[in-house]
Amino acid sequence: EPEVTQTPSHQVTQMGQEVILRCVPISNHLYFYWYRQILGQKVEFLVSFYNNEISEKSEIFDDQFSVERPDGSNFTLKIRSTKLEDSAMYFCASSGSGGDYGYTFGSGTRLTVV
Amino acid sequence: GESVGLHLPTLSVQEGDNSIINCAYSNSASDYFIWYKQESGKGPQFIIDIRSNMDKRQGQRVTVLLNKTVKHLSLQIAATQPGDSAVYFCAENNSGTYKYIFGTGTRLKVLA
Repeated sequence: EPEVTQTPSHQVTQMGQEVILRCVPISNHLYFYWYRQILGQKVEFLVSFYNNEISEKSEIFDDQFSVERPDGSNFTLKIRSTKLEDSAMYFCASSGSGGDYGYTFGSGTRLTVV
Repeated sequence: GESVGLHLPTLSVQEGDNSIINCAYSNSASDYFIWYKQESGKGPQFIIDIRSNMDKRQGQRVTVLLNKTVKHLSLQIAATQPGDSAVYFCAENNSGTYKYIFGTGTRLKVLA
């Protein structure tokens, strides 16, 4: 069964450093997403991406966040200057069509900011 | 966003019994709903979906019920098994948007 692959599975970074979280969506999917889940809390939407541009973003997704699809297979989330409160699980997802269809989520990257 | 901290509602059921997990959704304009299962250290996994023009949908061992009047979803799991132990989230979508809004989650514990 096709999978969404995320790397690394765990990243520890110093506060103020930049991090890039990487995702390989399912190959024929067209819509890509990032969500995050702070420990013990809800899964929260960050951003959706379609046709090489952001289609929707949440208030969490401020100027320190950016997304990119640098080639035909990878989808990245960059956090420019990490803060302690950015510590969370970050999930990438992809879907073949827009929001009214189930996503496939990756297993997540646990980001720890120290 | 709303925070519920570290303490999820927990449902404990005996193996073989039926489980019912409930969810109140927030947006009356939402027209598509999904139940996700999340095992420890993994991403949410699709279980079953339902559109707002339906009030019931059945899958293998799972049934989702939708009550739009009170904005309520439930997930019924028949003959609960140890492998069903996980956190279950409902998620709502408005077809005019790309995002899902997740509920707070319920931890299901299956007792042997």
